[in-house]
Amino acid sequence: AQTVTQSQPEMSVQEAETVTLSCTYDTSESDYYLFWYKQPPSRQMILVIRQEAYKQQNATENRFSVNFQKAAKSFSLKISDSQLGDAAMYFCAYTRGSTLGRLYFGRGTQLTVWP
Amino acid sequence: GAGVSQTPSNKVTEKGKYVELRCDPISGHTALYWYRQSLGQGPEFLIYFQGTGAADDSGLPNDRFFAVRPEGSVSTLKIQRTERGDSAVYLCASSWETSGETDTQYFGPGTRLTVL
Repeated sequence: AQTVTQSQPEMSVQEAETVTLSCTYDTSESDYYLFWYKQPPSRQMILVIRQEAYKQQNATENRFSVNFQKAAKSFSLKISDSQLGDAAMYFCAYTRGSTLGRLYFGRGTQLTVWP
Repeated sequence: GAGVSQTPSNKVTEKGKYVELRCDPISGHTALYWYRQSLGQGPEFLIYFQGTGAADDSGLPNDRFFAVRPEGSVSTLKIQRTERGDSAVYLCASSWETSGETDTQYFGPGTRLTVL
């Protein structure tokens, strides 16, 4: 069974500083995709970043980057130069690399950004 | 272009009543997903449509839950004989689904269902 674990229920960071959110997953598949989604109080899930398991290079989107360690089944999100607008619940998610694209989510990490 | 939309935004109903939740996916997206998010939890998968057919309904908790997508676009999630435990945010997502490729799911704002 696929499971996604986020061990940090809450994290906080000072504005302009860097924070890392942790995620581990369990799968027997070799082909899969990993995502980080952001959910602000508006409830809208917003894609932050996506990583294909077959790519060794870590994905980067502006201030957001991941540290993908396939052997360790770890997928952490680094937010650089944190902004007040980054405050939200962050979810790590996994899906198999097939047409059955259901996402498996972790329980989320609530990120607070202090001015 | 327009994103995924869901109506209503909020729904309050009484125990035992029937409710329908609607999802309008991004135009052209062939895959549509329903998830349920309980307070303090991550979303949990309910059902997935590829076109008009339910490709995977293994996440539906029981036979009180049913979903349709008759024309391959708009989908309706139907809950019969609602129970207080059905209270949650129901999220809809859509994506392209080309053969051999899994694409990113784009989510709507959700419907918050409260069963009194």
